[in-house]
Parts: sequence; C-alpha cells; structure tokens
Amino acid sequence: KNEVEQSPQNLTAQEGEFITINCSYSVGISALHWLQQHPGGGIVSLFMLSSGKKKHGRLIATINIQEKHSSLHITASHPRDSAVYICAVNRATGNQFYFGTGTSLTVIP
Amino acid sequence: DAGITQSPRHKVTETGTPVTLRCHQTENHRYMYWYRQDPGHGLRLIHYSYGVKDTDKGEVSDGYSVSRSKTEDFLLTLESATSSQTSVYFCATRGARGQETQYFGPGTRLLVL
Repeated sequence: KNEVEQSPQNLTAQEGEFITINCSYSVGISALHWLQQHPGGGIVSLFMLSSGKKKHGRLIATINIQEKHSSLHITASHPRDSAVYICAVNRATGNQFYFGTGTSLTVIP
Repeated sequence: DAGITQSPRHKVTETGTPVTLRCHQTENHRYMYWYRQDPGHGLRLIHYSYGVKDTDKGEVSDGYSVSRSKTEDFLLTLESATSSQTSVYFCATRGARGQETQYFGPGTRLLVL
C-alpha cells in the first residue's frame, strides 16, 4: 500500500480549463509538497504546505490535515502547464519523504 | 534553486560492472538523498544521508551502497549493475530539520545492458 495516492493518473484538458489534481496520504506528516516535472526534465518544488492554502500565479494548493487530503488547482490552464505533478509528504517522524506516482497532465491548445 | 549537480548525466553500462554516480551540492545542506524513478512507481528512496559519514537505507537499497565523506558530495555505487537497475536516478538535498523543502538534481539516466 502506498502512503501517498494521487488521482487522476492521467489528465487531458483544453487550454483555459480549470484543473484539479488530488492527493491523499495515510501517515502523519510535517509537510506536504507539490512538485512539477516536465518531460525529460528535472523536478522542481511548487509548494510546501503544512496547513491551509497557498497561491502562486495560476496555481493554488490546499491541504486538509484532518482528512489527510490535498488538492492542486490550475486556473486558466495553458499548454506550458503540461507536465507530471507529484505529491510528496514528509513524515512527522524521521527524515524520509514519500511520493505519489504522479499525475500526467496534457493541456491541448 | 539549490546548486545541485549530478554526474554523469547519462550512462550505458554492461551487466556486472560497477557504476558510481556522483551528486554535488553547493548549499551546505545537511540531508542528501538518492532516489530512483521508474514508470508506475514514482520516486523511491534508495539511501539517504543526514551528515558526513552518516547514512541510512531507504526502501530499495539492495544492490546499492553510498558514501558521504564531505558535506557537498554524496556518491551512489552499484557494485555489480543489473538490468533491473536501469532507471533515472535523482539526487536531492534538504537543509536542517525544519527546512522541509527538497531540492532536486537534474537526474542521471542509467541503462544497464
């Protein structure tokens, strides 16, 4: 059983659509991260959350600690948003991170 | 972004040969991690380090060893490469405990024939 589950695995959207990617986790955490990986590219951190909501440009990330759930929203999606989005958590104890398998997003012009 | 480099960036090797991947960071981060990324599995931890000469195993450590003799360098060694170790390997770093963000290197594509 994975400690971190993401849905959907794959997502195709038309340019301009509102997109939601979900992440559920089963362990106690100190923080949750959303990462972005472009095809053939490296991995960059988009957000780190321990509570509430964060916004950066067209990206919004929310977390509900009680429900152990987080969402990543993209407003007015654009083809350059096409990438794999990965949810990761720091366990509350220990130094390790646990990762979801990623959501592959394709935004069509 | 943290200054993290990995070398080599691409490598093709034969089964049974030893391989060493290098991760170098310029941020003086305490924690360093080696992950492998495979389709359908996401990122999986191989080994990590919480200081010079201090390392611990991750969930997929069999067949891999690591060393950290300096803060800035974390080496991953495949003692005798197997085809199942064909993967993309990522190094990551994190600052002191409480600094939760991880910074990733560009990755190394390894093909074991």
